[in-house]
Amino acid sequence: EIVLTQSPDTLSLSPGERATLSCRASQSISTHLAWYQQKPGQAPRLLIYDTSKRATGIPARFSGSGSGTDFILTISSLEPEDFAVYSCQQRFTWPRLTFGGGTKVEIK
Amino acid sequence: QVQLLESGGGVVQPGRSQRLSCVGSGFIFSAYGMHWVRQAPGKGLEWVAVISYDGRNKNYADSVKGRYTISRDSAKNTVYLQMNSLRPDDTAVYYCARDGVEGLDFWGQGTLITVSS
Repeated sequence: EIVLTQSPDTLSLSPGERATLSCRASQSISTHLAWYQQKPGQAPRLLIYDTSKRATGIPARFSGSGSGTDFILTISSLEPEDFAVYSCQQRFTWPRLTFGGGTKVEIK
Repeated sequence: QVQLLESGGGVVQPGRSQRLSCVGSGFIFSAYGMHWVRQAPGKGLEWVAVISYDGRNKNYADSVKGRYTISRDSAKNTVYLQMNSLRPDDTAVYYCARDGVEGLDFWGQGTLITVSS
């Protein structure tokens, strides 16, 4: 089973700052990685798929990069609505999927 | 618009069974694979099971294999998760999600299963 490790667990930042979230896979997953945003009491929302492609309606301040085992989600300038938990997910072993443990982006 | 609505949650005793349902609308249900994903209280997302668009192929997480069964009725636009031999560590919010070209592109609001005596 492919394990995804996200870091840091929590990121404390102010609105307007840049957020950089990491996701590391236990083996190469090419570019088969997605990112989801989840707010308290809500279902996850797809942000990024295939490492760097923004899902429908996702603002340009969200971007993804990486390949193989190391991946980054960047939020260029945090808006108040961006404070949430972000989870990565691999599709290399589709249809079996794996999620990372999540990174919480909180207001500093 | 695409909507997914789960039901069937509640409090269940250890060892008992429960069936979850997820009704889809606003899209051609029979054209999409469907997943179940769960989230234990305060924890991350855990993939549970998937069924192909035609119901022929099913896959399960090791943690539920042999206890859970995923199925679908495309005439009713519904995917099911039959959960048997429930354990306290199965306590979670269970989400159904559509397997789109881009990924899990639509999710239901979730239904909570609490396994407790």
